[in-house]
Amino acid sequence: AAGVIQSPRHLIKEKRETATLKCYPIPRHDTVYWYQQGPGQDPQFLISFYEKMQSDKGSIPDRFSAQQFSDYHSELNMSSLELGDSALYFCASSIMGLAGRYEQYFGPGTRLTVT
Amino acid sequence: SQQGEEDPQALSIQEGENATMNCSYKTSINNLQWYRQNSGRGLVHLILIRSNEREKHSGRLRVTLDTSKKSSSLLITASRAADTASYFCATVLAGGTSYGKLTFGQGTILTVHP
Repeated sequence: AAGVIQSPRHLIKEKRETATLKCYPIPRHDTVYWYQQGPGQDPQFLISFYEKMQSDKGSIPDRFSAQQFSDYHSELNMSSLELGDSALYFCASSIMGLAGRYEQYFGPGTRLTVT
Repeated sequence: SQQGEEDPQALSIQEGENATMNCSYKTSINNLQWYRQNSGRGLVHLILIRSNEREKHSGRLRVTLDTSKKSSSLLITASRAADTASYFCATVLAGGTSYGKLTFGQGTILTVHP
C-alpha cells in the first residue's frame, strides 16, 4: 500500500540558510499535517492543510511557511535557520471524514541538521 | 503545556512479560491514539480509541480509556524484544472545529530484554 513520502530524508544546512521539505500524502487523503520532533522530545504540531487550505496552526515560527498544492503535496519552507531548528520533521496525512476521527499516517520524516 | 502526560517515562521488562503504559490528558477529546516510534524513525499508528469507547483490542495490544479520569492505558501482552521502542499517546480535541491535529504526550521508552 502507498505510504506518505517525504523528501529529502536528511538535510544539512547552515545557520541563516533556507530549507524546503516536501511531503506527498497517501492518494485520496485530503489532509496534511506537519510536526516537529526535537531530540528526545515528543512531536509538536506545526500546521495542517485540508483541501489545500490551511486548517490549523500550531507552534510554527514566523520564519516557517507551508502550503498545499493542487496535487495535494505539501511543502514546508524554513528560512533564517537556527541551530534550534535541528529536528525530525514529520508529515502525516489522513482522510478528514468525520471531524478528524481517523488515524493519521506518518511519513518517515526528514532529519534536518543545522550547523 | 502538554495535553498528554505519560508514565512511566521508561520501562524495562523481560521478554514474555506484559508492559503497561499510562497517559493522562487535560481537555475533552474526540479520540486518543497510540503510536510507536523506533529510535529516531517514523511514527507507526497502533490503535485509535474514540471518546465513547472504553476498551479496544488489537492483537497483543489492549487500550482502555477513562474519560472521567482523562486517562488511557496501553497494555502490550507477551512482550517481545522487537517491541522495544518509544510509545506515545496522542489526542484529538473534541469540537466541530477540530481538524484532527494530534497533541502528543511525552512518551514511554520501553525496553524488552531477550
